[in-house]
Amino acid sequence: DQQVKQNSPSLSVQEGRISILNCDYTNSMFDYFLWYKKYPAEGPTFLISISSIKDKNEDGRFTVFLNKSAKHLSLHIVPSQPGDSAVYFCAAWGDSGNTPLVFGKGTRLSVIA
Amino acid sequence: KAGVTQTPRYLIKTRGQQVTLSCSPISGHRSVSWYQQTPGQGLQFLFEYFSETQRNKGNFPGRFSGRQFSNSRSEMNVSTLELGDSALYLCASSAGHGAGYTFGSGTRLTVV
Repeated sequence: DQQVKQNSPSLSVQEGRISILNCDYTNSMFDYFLWYKKYPAEGPTFLISISSIKDKNEDGRFTVFLNKSAKHLSLHIVPSQPGDSAVYFCAAWGDSGNTPLVFGKGTRLSVIA
Repeated sequence: KAGVTQTPRYLIKTRGQQVTLSCSPISGHRSVSWYQQTPGQGLQFLFEYFSETQRNKGNFPGRFSGRQFSNSRSEMNVSTLELGDSALYLCASSAGHGAGYTFGSGTRLTVV
């Protein structure tokens, strides 16, 4: 039973345009959400997070939106750059961190110059 | 400050053998988690250790085990290796909820 779902395995976007990566979750106990970025042969690196008490968090070109009623979050990258090409993982935490961080299967983003 | 260090980076083993992977967390981080990454499956949670105690465990067979030492360094062991155990094994350390995880570069295990 997958608690965090990233239904798009891949996404291609032109350089300069907006990239939107989506994530759905099923566990209503999740209270903290994170996005990680992963390049080949490296571990995932933390990108941005959002607490369930917020509906938006912004950090430079990256914005995460949370819709709790729909159990849906999205990551917006504006403008997209070729260096953003990587696999993006959505992750969720519940029970104030006493349960493991649960990851989606990832979305491979390709930004085309 | 130093990041999460995993050794070795690459490993080739034969079916039936066992393997031990090592992880040194960021100094001061007491929580260490292990994940398995395979193509198409994302990051599958193996186990988490906190202050030398296993706090959480994923749905992996008993061939997968781990431990944490008093200095927070952690090891995971896989016995009786199978071809399907070929994967990238990632270790992550955390300072607590809200701080997220910091991952190491992983150990790429190939079972032949």
